[in-house]
Amino acid sequence: EVQLVESGGGLVQPGGSLRLSCAASGFTLSRYSMNWVRQAPGKGLEWISYISSSSSTIHYADSVKGRFSISRDNAKNSLYLQMNTLRAEDTAVYYCARDSPGADCSSSSCPKYDYWGQGTLVTVSS
Amino acid sequence: DVVMTQSPLSLPVTLGQPASISCRSSQSLVYSDGKTYLNWIQQRPGQSPRRLIYMVSNRDSGVPDRFSGSGSGTDFTLKISRVEAEDVGVYYCMQSTHWPRTFGQGTKVEIK
Repeated sequence: EVQLVESGGGLVQPGGSLRLSCAASGFTLSRYSMNWVRQAPGKGLEWISYISSSSSTIHYADSVKGRFSISRDNAKNSLYLQMNTLRAEDTAVYYCARDSPGADCSSSSCPKYDYWGQGTLVTVSS
Repeated sequence: DVVMTQSPLSLPVTLGQPASISCRSSQSLVYSDGKTYLNWIQQRPGQSPRRLIYMVSNRDSGVPDRFSGSGSGTDFTLKISRVEAEDVGVYYCMQSTHWPRTFGQGTKVEIK
């Protein structure tokens, strides 16, 4: 069974840092690209970062560029999000979600956002 | 950025009746490989997001066949043929053709 389990959330002061983790099981993480998506309280979903399977391609939303850093350790089946210079507007539940190259997509299956974790809450407040 | 615009944003529905959600993108979602990467995501109250439909019209495993997706280019639709109580929640369209990935604002489906 595919599972994604986020951890590392908590309360942090503005300007502080936090590192989120996403532990993958039930599939070979090294074959898939991955994403972080967040959801502010009572708001919609916002994609924030992507990393390819080999870490060769990385993308960020403008809202986090220069402050957040995505990484992965395929040997540990883990995805990470290093968050620095946190702001009140970064308060959200953070989800990891599986992805893949489009070449893996067909009418019978497509591993793009097919699995999501349960989320971890980050609260930025003094 | 590609703007995804959903309508309506609130959808009260009678149990057993159909429901339809529209999603329009500001640019074509056809990728260079000819595929259209438009997903429909369901988020039930208090739960994580769950993908229902991928590549416009393909239902995920375990998704009831009362859910269907259609459309092309910039106009897409999610239909529920007969709404059931378990369908209550927020539905998002999202595109994974262009960077950055973007979501619609969400449509809240509730029972009248």
